[in-house]
Amino acid sequence: KNEVEQSPQNLTAQEGEFITINCSYSVGISALHWLQQHPGGGIVSLFMLSSGKKKHGRLIATINIQEKHSSLHITASHPRDSAVYICAVRLPQFYFGTGTSLTVIP
Amino acid sequence: NAGVMQNPRHLVRRRGQEARLRCSPMKGHSHVYWYRQLPEEGLKFMVYLQKENIIDESGMPKERFSAEFPKEGPSILRIQQVVRGDSAAYFCASLATGTAGYTFGSGTRLTVV
Repeated sequence: KNEVEQSPQNLTAQEGEFITINCSYSVGISALHWLQQHPGGGIVSLFMLSSGKKKHGRLIATINIQEKHSSLHITASHPRDSAVYICAVRLPQFYFGTGTSLTVIP
Repeated sequence: NAGVMQNPRHLVRRRGQEARLRCSPMKGHSHVYWYRQLPEEGLKFMVYLQKENIIDESGMPKERFSAEFPKEGPSILRIQQVVRGDSAAYFCASLATGTAGYTFGSGTRLTVV
């Protein structure tokens, strides 16, 4: 059983579409992170959340502690957003979701 | 501030050799986490270290793997007598004491031939 479940596993979108990636977790956490991993590349930490909502550019992350659920939204998606997006919860050590592979088509 | 530095970026070892992976955390960061990403799989926690202390090694294989974070110098993940199944990307991340700032290195891709 995974402590962190992500959906969908794969997502293809047209440029400009609004995208939502979901993350559910089953354990009490001190923080939740959204990470971005490009093909062949390293990992970038996008957000760290313990409550509420954060926004950075076209990216928005929300978390509902009571429901143990977080979402990552991308507005006006662009091909350069194509990457794997990973949800991770911190206990303090991290447990990772299996990732959502996003492809944005021009 | 150069970020979290991992080296080498790519490492090829023959079966039975030793692999040493280095991670230099961001300046002022004193907590280091190591993660492994096997091909076609997600990231898995291996070990969490502070300077001169192993805090949590519950994700480390019981044999052949060890990690240290000395008072001076980088954190080292050491794999003895490597096998093909050790081929993976190994990432480290550092966390500053008292903050939630968390930064990943670019990873070391180990290939065992």
